[in-house]
Amino acid sequence: SYVLTQPPSVSVAPGQTARITCGGDNIGRKAVHWYQQKPGQAPVLVVYDDSDRPSGIPERFSGSNSGNTATLTISRVEAGDEADYYCQVLNSTSDHRYVFGTGTKVSVL
Amino acid sequence: EVQLVQSGAEVKKPGESLKISCKASGYSFTSHWIGWVRQMPGKGLEWMGSIYPGDSDTRYSPSFQGQVTFSTDKSISTAYLQWSSLKASDTAIYYCAKFDYLHASYMDVWGKGTTVTVSS
Repeated sequence: SYVLTQPPSVSVAPGQTARITCGGDNIGRKAVHWYQQKPGQAPVLVVYDDSDRPSGIPERFSGSNSGNTATLTISRVEAGDEADYYCQVLNSTSDHRYVFGTGTKVSVL
Repeated sequence: EVQLVQSGAEVKKPGESLKISCKASGYSFTSHWIGWVRQMPGKGLEWMGSIYPGDSDTRYSPSFQGQVTFSTDKSISTAYLQWSSLKASDTAIYYCAKFDYLHASYMDVWGKGTTVTVSS
């Protein structure tokens, strides 16, 4: 089965840049989506199709995807960005099989 | 406003049955896949499966095949997740989410989740 690997945690100072990676075999050939989940809340889509943002998501959130690694970048990090972040891909279009990454806890120092 | 409103928290005993709901509003319910996602205590997100309300086409993750059943009622724009015999290991938060229209590739709107606790 397809596995998406993320670092368990990333720490960043306010105002700095956080980069969260999502590794998978030839992930660059798939569309990658990212969700933010704050404690006690449901996930929220923050980036879709590698680098597009839903309305209402700040431009500080951006994404890229190439080779075996997709990356979510959070610029000018704020305290409110502290959350768990998950990547996700559609692994099989015929079977509608979806895979989530292992999740990364972003801590704002 | 597009919304998914999930039913309230449940406390059940092992072996009991359960059906939780997810009521959609603000969009065409029959035109978008609905997914179900499990989050066990302190753990990550797991895709359980998806259902297309338009024709009830259903796909289950191999990990959940035979363990749960999805259904919908188009007349009230509601999706359901049910168990016939709960186990303690079913204790988790269950989210429903609406997929994007074009490719059903990502989940753009989520319900707030239903907490299910199974304990004797």
